Amino acid sequence: GQSLEQPSEVTAVEGAIVQINCTYQTSGFYGLSWYQQHDGGAPTFLSYNALDGLEETGRFSSFLSRSDSYGYLLLQELQMKDSASYFCAVRDRGTDKLIFGTGTRLQVFP
Amino acid sequence: EPEVTQTPSHQVTQMGQEVILRCVPISNHLYFYWYRQILGQKVEFLVSFYNNEISEKSEIFDDQFSVERPDGSNFTLKIRSTKLEDSAMYFCASSFEGGRTEAFFGQGTRLTVV
Repeated sequence: GQSLEQPSEVTAVEGAIVQINCTYQTSGFYGLSWYQQHDGGAPTFLSYNALDGLEETGRFSSFLSRSDSYGYLLLQELQMKDSASYFCAVRDRGTDKLIFGTGTRLQVFP
Repeated sequence: EPEVTQTPSHQVTQMGQEVILRCVPISNHLYFYWYRQILGQKVEFLVSFYNNEISEKSEIFDDQFSVERPDGSNFTLKIRSTKLEDSAMYFCASSFEGGRTEAFFGQGTRLTVV
């Protein structure tokens, strides 16, 4: 089976940098994705790592290390609007289903 | 920008009743999904659908649930004999292909069973 673990909550102040970790146990997947979900909203795609290493998209970066079964999302220059839940996810190679991590609630304070 | 649309946004039903949640995936997408999120919890996979049949389903997706693509645009989730614990946000998602492509989610239907 697949399981992805994340810290339940992270807090930070505006302008800071925060890292949200994702550790996983999977039997085979295409890559690691990150989704953002504001309260009452739908998950929206943020980034995808097919290969090990760092992917950068503006203020957000994502990292994957398959050998360590580990990835993270890095958010820089935090803004109040970044307060949301963040989910890592993998797409199972055998079934194509997208499996989400436990989710991390990020609270950004002024 | 194309988007996944879900109706209704909120459904209240009495325990034991049947509900149908509707979704219109993005038109050129081939893979369709339903997910469930109980308040404050993670997003849980229910079922994936490809080529007019279920390709994968979770333990949650038992005989109480069914999915259908009745025409070329709609994708529905039927929940029979609803229970209090079925109260959750239900998200429909679609993707152009399996594998690496991102999935696009609808805004969800909040189901409240009373």
